[in-house]
Amino acid sequence: GAVVSQHPSWVICKSGTSVKIECRSLDFQATTMFWYRQFPKQSLMLMATSNEGSKATYEQGVEKDKFLINHASLTLSTLTVTSAHPEDSSFYICSAKRDGPGGNSPLHFGNGTRLTVT
Amino acid sequence: GQSLEQPSEVTAVEGAIVQINCTYQTSGFYGLSWYQQHDGGAPTFLSYNALDGLEETGRFSSFLSRSDSYGYLLLQELQMKDSASYFCAVPKGTTDSWGKLQFGAGTQVVVTP
Repeated sequence: GAVVSQHPSWVICKSGTSVKIECRSLDFQATTMFWYRQFPKQSLMLMATSNEGSKATYEQGVEKDKFLINHASLTLSTLTVTSAHPEDSSFYICSAKRDGPGGNSPLHFGNGTRLTVT
Repeated sequence: GQSLEQPSEVTAVEGAIVQINCTYQTSGFYGLSWYQQHDGGAPTFLSYNALDGLEETGRFSSFLSRSDSYGYLLLQELQMKDSASYFCAVPKGTTDSWGKLQFGAGTQVVVTP
């Protein structure tokens, strides 16, 4: 089955530092990947769409200079949280949609990254 | 804007049946999907309805009524492992891209012995 790998699973960092999160589609190509954020006991909120070979598109209210997205290949997208602050502490989840026909194929989610900023 | 409403919590005993309702308001409609998320884990896809009616997948079924902007997820023969959060979701905006999803607030299902 389709597998999306996300790394690291959890990370603790100090305020002001940057953290990089990787999202890989292991057995399929994904031109498009998506980054979500989830605060405790809340729903998933789409942050941005990561596009291989072009700039990411960000949802309203998401700072593109703070959440840098790079889609380096057809199987890898990275999210870098720059100058992290405690309010950035959250559960970050990537997802990928398999390339090819079938516009309504389900999303495959990574296992998420728990970020704690101290 | 778009919105989805679902109950915050449902409690039931093992073996019971639970129905999680979801009402939505969207600018265009490209189907309703359901995801399960265990605490601290990744969401997993359960079901999808683009047309009216019932879709059955094992113990889980999903129903859609487009005229009522309403759907539900039915969990049958509840097991302890079904304790999780369940989210309904629709594509954001006017796109039919299934990657850009707007999720409901989630329903916490608690299964008791």
